[in-house]
Amino acid sequence: RKEVEQDPGPFNVPEGATVAFNCTYSNSASQSFFWYRQDCRKEPKLLMSVYSSGNEDGRFTAQLNRASQYISLLIRDSKLSDSATYLCVVNALNTGFQKLVFGTGTRLLVSP
Amino acid sequence: ETGVTQTPRHLVMGMTNKKSLKCEQHLGHNAMYWYKQSAKKPLELMFVYNFKEQTENNSVPSRFSPECPNSSHLFLHLHTLQPEDSALYLCASSQDVGEGENIQYFGAGTRLSVL
Repeated sequence: RKEVEQDPGPFNVPEGATVAFNCTYSNSASQSFFWYRQDCRKEPKLLMSVYSSGNEDGRFTAQLNRASQYISLLIRDSKLSDSATYLCVVNALNTGFQKLVFGTGTRLLVSP
Repeated sequence: ETGVTQTPRHLVMGMTNKKSLKCEQHLGHNAMYWYKQSAKKPLELMFVYNFKEQTENNSVPSRFSPECPNSSHLFLHLHTLQPEDSALYLCASSQDVGEGENIQYFGAGTRLSVL
């Protein structure tokens, strides 16, 4: 089983739509969680951290369910500029240091 | 601009060449990382340095040799690579590798093609 699993997509949505991505992780000792965004042929950039209480940043809402080892990202009112690959990232202690484990990413295409 | 600079951005090399990738961070971080990103695969952690000391070598072949002269600079020396080593090589830095969120900031990467 992969350490972090995501639906690769692509998700094709029109502008203004609401879209949700899900992610599951296998290591119950994971301590922190993130969504990174990666544009085509560019580096990953932190989109937001994910907290158990849920957190929101503008049109983006992230949720964490530790019991189910499940993370989600909701994007409301999609913009063309939201087209990118969204990486689910889990941070776990590994032999004394923290290690980020990346999913393969979910590709989002927003069309006019 | 994330404060992590990688050079070169693109590199084409033959299997018998020796080349080096360079990474520099201006964020005052203590930890630096090398990742490999191949098509349709997740980012793979290769090496971790914390306060210039290597804390992780993720079963990487010896044809990849990292060097960390100080907390701001990280190199990846390449020799006798194989075509399957063609990928995007990403450098990242974070405050440290201990407790905390461990948010990592990435450079733009070096796109490597091995012929």
